Amino acid sequence: TQLLEQSPQFLSIQEGENLTVYCNSSSVFSSLQWYRQEPGEGPVLLVTVVTGGEVKKLKRLTFQFGDARKDSSLHITAAQPGDTGLYLCAGAPQGGSEKLVFGKGMKLTVNP
Amino acid sequence: KAGVTQTPRYLIKTRGQQVTLSCSPISGHRSVSWYQQTPGQGLQFLFEYFSETQRNKGNFPGRFSGRQFSNSRSEMNVSTLELGDSALYLCASMRVLSGQGRDEQYFGPGTRLTVT
Repeated sequence: TQLLEQSPQFLSIQEGENLTVYCNSSSVFSSLQWYRQEPGEGPVLLVTVVTGGEVKKLKRLTFQFGDARKDSSLHITAAQPGDTGLYLCAGAPQGGSEKLVFGKGMKLTVNP
Repeated sequence: KAGVTQTPRYLIKTRGQQVTLSCSPISGHRSVSWYQQTPGQGLQFLFEYFSETQRNKGNFPGRFSGRQFSNSRSEMNVSTLELGDSALYLCASMRVLSGQGRDEQYFGPGTRLTVT
């Protein structure tokens, strides 16, 4: 069974601070997606990383896919209250037809 | 392009009843997956339908079932509701490009089911 472990599970920080969320597995994934979910809503896709070592930037968010395609990280610079939410990573197993594997998420609270 | 839509958004049922939830995928998306999300268990995969066939299934009892229509719209049904079925039920759609593995998955807003 493929698992994705996210850490930390909870984080409460002040506005302006930086943070990094990790998503780790012993399995290789063909791609990895990051989502943000606000209470009562569905997850919103932030980014998909496909190539080992790939780095993608989305404004203050930086996503990295590990060289071996087993892990990923999300770094947020100068966090803002609007960044508050549940951050989920999801890996696509190699092969194509298998279901996505989701981590349990990291609940982020950014205090003004 | 319209996003994934789910109806109803909120539902209150009593134990023993059954419920049907509906999901309309993004136009052109052929795969629809269903998830149950609770604070304690996180996001748990129920099943995935592609071209009207179930191609992946999670570890849920037979009370949970689904189907997909020829226009890719999907429904899921839960029979004999239990208190523990209270959750946010999410639907996600995906294009599925031949020979290119899994495409990106897009979620709907969810249906909040409360069982009393």
